[in-house]
Amino acid sequence: AQSVSQHNHHVILSEAASLELGCNYSYGGTVNLFWYVQYPGQHLQLLLKYFSGDPLVKGIKGFEAEFIKSKFSFNLRKPSVQWSDTAEYFCAVNQGGKLIFGQGTELSVKP
Amino acid sequence: EADIYQTPRYLVIGTGKKITLECSQTMGHDKMYWYQQDPGMELHLIHYSYGVNSTEKGDLSSESTVSRIRTEHFPLTLESARPSHTSQYLCASSEGGLLSYNEQFFGPGTRLTVL
Repeated sequence: AQSVSQHNHHVILSEAASLELGCNYSYGGTVNLFWYVQYPGQHLQLLLKYFSGDPLVKGIKGFEAEFIKSKFSFNLRKPSVQWSDTAEYFCAVNQGGKLIFGQGTELSVKP
Repeated sequence: EADIYQTPRYLVIGTGKKITLECSQTMGHDKMYWYQQDPGMELHLIHYSYGVNSTEKGDLSSESTVSRIRTEHFPLTLESARPSHTSQYLCASSEGGLLSYNEQFFGPGTRLTVL
């Protein structure tokens, strides 16, 4: 069965720093990949997704992610974080119409 | 406004009580899901449904049960709550057929504490 690993459990950055959150999934073939975000006190919401085509995917709020098939990775990036990016970030992969989630990365951005 | 709702948001109950966590969506989605999430851990799928009268168990074994009598409603029931059931429960819904995937929309969650 598919599994998802997020290597950073808690990341602390200062505003304007660059962000990269790691995500690896366990086996290949055709995959659909997602990043979800949960801001404090809010619903989990979709940040971006990859189904096919250009492996560099742009999402909301300046986030992007790169699908590297050879590395089974789908890392999330943002060039310059803001205090409002403080949230928990979840990577997920589609398996048979169901989502398999990683354990999440808590991002804290210091003003 | 189309949305997905969960009630209650917080629940503290004693061991042995029967509880039902409510989930409703106004988006007309066929697919609905229940996830369980412990702090600092991944979301685990415990139940899902592809439509009315369809329910399936997820990847994580759960003592809870679900029903899907109406498209918009997907309640989760625990017949006899135990402290091991203490967790956050998230409901979600999506469009699409049996194996297709579309974005899942999540509710705000119910944080359950069983004493």
